Amino acid sequence: QQQVKQSPQSLIVQKGGISIINCAYENTAFDYFPWYQQFPGKGPALLIAIRPDVSEKKEGRFTISFNKSAKQFSLHIMDSQPGDSATYFCAANRETSGSRLTFGEGTQLTVNP
Amino acid sequence: GAGVSQTPSNKVTEKGKYVELRCDPISGHTALYWYRQSLGQGPEFLIYFQGTGAADDSGLPNDRFFAVRPEGSVSTLKIQRTERGDSAVYLCASSLNPGFGYGYTFGSGTRLTVV
Repeated sequence: QQQVKQSPQSLIVQKGGISIINCAYENTAFDYFPWYQQFPGKGPALLIAIRPDVSEKKEGRFTISFNKSAKQFSLHIMDSQPGDSATYFCAANRETSGSRLTFGEGTQLTVNP
Repeated sequence: GAGVSQTPSNKVTEKGKYVELRCDPISGHTALYWYRQSLGQGPEFLIYFQGTGAADDSGLPNDRFFAVRPEGSVSTLKIQRTERGDSAVYLCASSLNPGFGYGYTFGSGTRLTVV
Protein backbone atom coordinates (compact mmCIF):
# COMPACT_ATOMS: atom_id res chain seq x y z
CA GLN A 1 0.00 0.00 0.00
CA GLN A 2 1.48 3.30 -1.12
CA GLN A 3 0.79 5.56 1.84
CA VAL A 4 2.91 8.48 0.64
CA LYS A 5 2.75 9.47 -3.00
CA GLN A 6 5.39 11.79 -4.40
CA SER A 7 5.57 13.76 -7.64
CA PRO A 8 7.14 14.47 -9.99
CA GLN A 9 9.45 11.50 -10.48
CA SER A 10 12.06 13.78 -12.02
CA LEU A 11 12.52 17.52 -12.27
CA ILE A 12 14.87 19.73 -14.25
CA VAL A 13 15.31 23.33 -13.15
CA GLN A 14 17.60 26.13 -14.25
CA LYS A 15 20.03 27.63 -11.76
CA GLY A 16 18.27 30.29 -9.74
CA GLY A 17 14.84 28.83 -10.32
CA ILE A 18 12.35 27.37 -7.87
CA SER A 19 12.09 23.60 -7.46
CA ILE A 20 8.76 22.27 -6.18
CA ILE A 21 8.15 18.69 -5.11
CA ASN A 22 4.79 17.48 -3.91
CA CYS A 23 3.64 14.70 -1.62
CA ALA A 24 0.27 13.36 -0.56
CA TYR A 25 -0.40 11.01 2.31
CA GLU A 26 -3.28 8.77 3.25
CA ASN A 27 -2.86 7.98 6.93
CA THR A 28 -4.29 10.79 9.05
CA ALA A 29 -2.42 9.41 12.05
CA PHE A 30 0.88 10.64 10.60
CA ASP A 31 2.22 13.49 12.69
CA TYR A 32 5.73 14.17 11.43
CA PHE A 33 6.72 14.96 7.86
CA PRO A 34 10.43 15.15 7.02
CA TRP A 35 12.18 15.64 3.72
CA TYR A 36 15.41 13.83 2.97
CA GLN A 37 18.10 14.56 0.41
CA GLN A 38 20.14 11.72 -1.05
CA PHE A 39 23.27 11.93 -3.17
CA PRO A 40 24.47 8.91 -5.20
CA GLY A 41 26.20 6.34 -3.04
CA LYS A 42 25.11 8.00 0.18
CA GLY A 43 22.32 7.48 2.64
CA PRO A 44 19.43 9.95 2.88
CA ALA A 45 20.13 13.04 4.99
CA LEU A 46 17.45 14.97 6.85
CA LEU A 47 16.84 18.31 5.16
CA ILE A 48 13.84 19.85 6.89
CA ALA A 49 10.76 18.59 8.71
CA ILE A 50 7.35 19.83 9.78
CA ARG A 51 4.62 18.87 12.22
CA PRO A 52 0.94 19.27 11.30
CA ASP A 53 0.30 22.08 13.76
CA VAL A 54 1.99 24.58 11.42
CA SER A 55 1.31 25.32 7.76
CA GLU A 56 4.78 26.37 6.72
CA LYS A 57 8.37 26.02 7.83
CA LYS A 58 11.36 27.74 6.28
CA GLU A 59 15.04 27.01 6.70
CA GLY A 60 17.30 29.00 4.42
CA ARG A 61 16.37 28.28 0.82
CA PHE A 62 14.14 25.34 1.78
CA THR A 63 10.46 25.68 2.68
CA ILE A 64 7.85 23.08 3.53
CA SER A 65 4.22 23.97 2.92
CA PHE A 66 1.68 21.77 4.69
CA ASN A 67 -2.04 21.43 3.98
CA LYS A 68 -3.59 19.22 6.63
CA SER A 69 -7.11 19.21 5.18
CA ALA A 70 -5.85 18.13 1.76
CA LYS A 71 -3.30 15.72 3.28
CA GLN A 72 -0.59 17.23 1.14
CA PHE A 73 2.78 18.80 1.72
CA SER A 74 5.43 20.18 -0.56
CA LEU A 75 9.07 21.16 -0.63
CA HIS A 76 10.12 24.41 -2.25
CA ILE A 77 13.77 25.05 -3.03
CA MET A 78 14.35 28.70 -3.77
CA ASP A 79 17.30 29.92 -5.87
CA SER A 80 18.10 26.34 -6.87
CA GLN A 81 21.80 25.58 -7.33
CA PRO A 82 23.62 22.83 -9.23
CA GLY A 83 24.77 21.49 -5.86
CA ASP A 84 21.10 20.83 -5.02
CA SER A 85 21.02 18.16 -7.72
CA ALA A 86 20.09 15.01 -5.82
CA THR A 87 17.16 12.73 -5.11
CA TYR A 88 14.62 14.07 -2.65
CA PHE A 89 12.30 11.94 -0.57
CA CYS A 90 9.32 13.00 1.45
CA ALA A 91 8.39 10.83 4.39
CA ALA A 92 5.87 10.56 7.17
CA ASN A 93 5.51 8.78 10.47
CA ARG A 94 3.53 8.44 13.67
CA GLU A 95 5.33 9.14 16.90
CA THR A 96 3.78 6.05 18.47
CA SER A 97 5.35 3.87 15.77
CA GLY A 98 8.81 4.60 17.17
CA SER A 99 9.73 6.76 14.23
CA ARG A 100 9.14 4.14 11.57
CA LEU A 101 9.23 6.28 8.44
CA THR A 102 7.12 5.74 5.33
CA PHE A 103 8.92 7.21 2.33
CA GLY A 104 7.68 8.49 -0.98
CA GLU A 105 9.19 7.13 -4.17
CA GLY A 106 11.60 10.01 -4.64
CA THR A 107 12.18 12.89 -7.05
CA GLN A 108 15.40 13.17 -8.98
CA LEU A 109 16.22 16.87 -9.19
CA THR A 110 18.67 18.22 -11.74
CA VAL A 111 19.65 21.88 -11.57
CA ASN A 112 21.32 23.04 -14.75
CA PRO A 113 24.02 25.71 -14.54
CA GLY B 1 32.18 7.34 15.56
CA ALA B 2 31.13 10.48 13.80
CA GLY B 3 28.47 8.80 11.71
CA VAL B 4 26.68 5.53 11.09
CA SER B 5 29.08 3.01 9.64
CA GLN B 6 27.94 0.11 7.48
CA THR B 7 30.09 -2.76 6.30
CA PRO B 8 30.70 -4.02 3.76
CA SER B 9 29.86 -1.22 1.37
CA ASN B 10 29.31 -3.74 -1.40
CA LYS B 11 28.51 -7.43 -1.27
CA VAL B 12 28.08 -9.80 -4.18
CA THR B 13 26.80 -13.25 -3.32
CA GLU B 14 25.43 -16.25 -5.11
CA LYS B 15 21.79 -17.19 -4.96
CA GLY B 16 21.12 -19.44 -1.99
CA LYS B 17 24.05 -18.19 0.11
CA TYR B 18 23.90 -16.62 3.56
CA VAL B 19 24.98 -13.01 4.14
CA GLU B 20 25.51 -10.75 7.12
CA LEU B 21 25.41 -6.97 6.94
CA ARG B 22 26.81 -4.91 9.79
CA CYS B 23 25.80 -1.55 11.20
CA ASP B 24 27.73 0.55 13.72
CA PRO B 25 25.42 3.32 14.94
CA ILE B 26 26.43 6.67 16.36
CA SER B 27 27.69 6.19 19.90
CA GLY B 28 24.91 6.67 22.42
CA HIS B 29 22.08 6.31 19.95
CA THR B 30 19.56 3.94 21.45
CA ALA B 31 17.30 3.57 18.43
CA LEU B 32 18.51 1.68 15.35
CA TYR B 33 16.65 1.03 12.12
CA TRP B 34 17.16 -1.08 9.03
CA TYR B 35 15.67 -0.09 5.70
CA ARG B 36 15.91 -1.57 2.22
CA GLN B 37 16.11 0.62 -0.87
CA SER B 38 15.51 -0.87 -4.27
CA LEU B 39 16.72 0.93 -7.38
CA GLY B 40 14.68 4.05 -8.05
CA GLN B 41 12.56 3.63 -4.93
CA GLY B 42 12.33 5.15 -1.50
CA PRO B 43 13.66 3.25 1.51
CA GLU B 44 11.32 0.63 2.94
CA PHE B 45 11.27 -0.10 6.65
CA LEU B 46 12.50 -3.49 7.80
CA ILE B 47 13.07 -3.44 11.57
CA TYR B 48 13.52 -1.08 14.49
CA PHE B 49 15.53 -1.71 17.66
CA GLN B 50 15.21 0.19 20.89
CA GLY B 51 18.24 -0.89 22.87
CA THR B 52 18.80 -4.61 22.46
CA GLY B 53 15.26 -5.58 21.59
CA ALA B 54 13.44 -5.47 18.30
CA ALA B 55 10.57 -3.09 19.00
CA ASP B 56 9.05 -3.50 15.55
CA ASP B 57 10.05 -6.18 13.02
CA SER B 58 6.90 -5.97 10.93
CA GLY B 59 8.81 -4.86 7.85
CA LEU B 60 10.90 -8.00 7.50
CA PRO B 61 9.65 -9.58 4.27
CA ASN B 62 9.88 -13.22 5.36
CA ASP B 63 11.62 -15.56 7.76
CA ARG B 64 14.83 -15.56 5.71
CA PHE B 65 15.55 -12.14 7.18
CA PHE B 66 16.68 -11.72 10.76
CA ALA B 67 18.46 -8.97 12.68
CA VAL B 68 20.14 -8.78 16.06
CA ARG B 69 21.58 -6.12 18.32
CA PRO B 70 22.91 -8.11 21.28
CA GLU B 71 24.62 -5.33 23.22
CA GLY B 72 22.45 -2.42 22.19
CA SER B 73 25.04 -0.96 19.85
CA VAL B 74 26.21 -2.82 16.72
CA SER B 75 23.51 -4.56 14.72
CA THR B 76 23.72 -7.33 12.15
CA LEU B 77 21.13 -8.01 9.47
CA LYS B 78 21.22 -11.64 8.41
CA ILE B 79 19.73 -13.00 5.19
CA GLN B 80 19.49 -16.74 4.62
CA ARG B 81 19.09 -18.50 1.28
CA THR B 82 19.47 -15.26 -0.64
CA GLU B 83 17.35 -14.69 -3.73
CA ARG B 84 17.93 -12.38 -6.68
CA GLY B 85 15.01 -10.26 -5.47
CA ASP B 86 16.96 -9.47 -2.30
CA SER B 87 19.34 -7.33 -4.37
CA ALA B 88 19.07 -3.78 -3.02
CA VAL B 89 20.84 -1.23 -0.87
CA TYR B 90 20.38 -1.98 2.81
CA LEU B 91 20.43 1.16 4.89
CA CYS B 92 20.95 1.47 8.60
CA ALA B 93 19.99 4.53 10.62
CA SER B 94 20.24 5.51 14.25
CA SER B 95 18.73 8.21 16.42
CA LEU B 96 19.25 9.44 19.94
CA ASN B 97 15.65 8.73 20.79
CA PRO B 98 12.69 7.47 18.86
CA GLY B 99 10.03 10.01 18.16
CA PHE B 100 9.92 12.86 15.75
CA GLY B 101 12.02 15.94 16.15
CA TYR B 102 15.27 14.09 16.48
CA GLY B 103 15.65 12.78 12.99
CA TYR B 104 17.62 9.86 11.81
CA THR B 105 21.22 9.67 10.71
CA PHE B 106 21.58 7.17 7.90
CA GLY B 107 24.67 5.25 6.93
CA SER B 108 25.78 5.03 3.31
CA GLY B 109 24.35 1.54 3.03
CA THR B 110 25.46 -1.87 1.86
CA ARG B 111 24.76 -2.62 -1.77
CA LEU B 112 23.82 -6.29 -1.95
CA THR B 113 23.84 -8.02 -5.31
CA VAL B 114 22.61 -11.60 -5.54
CA VAL B 115 23.72 -13.33 -8.74
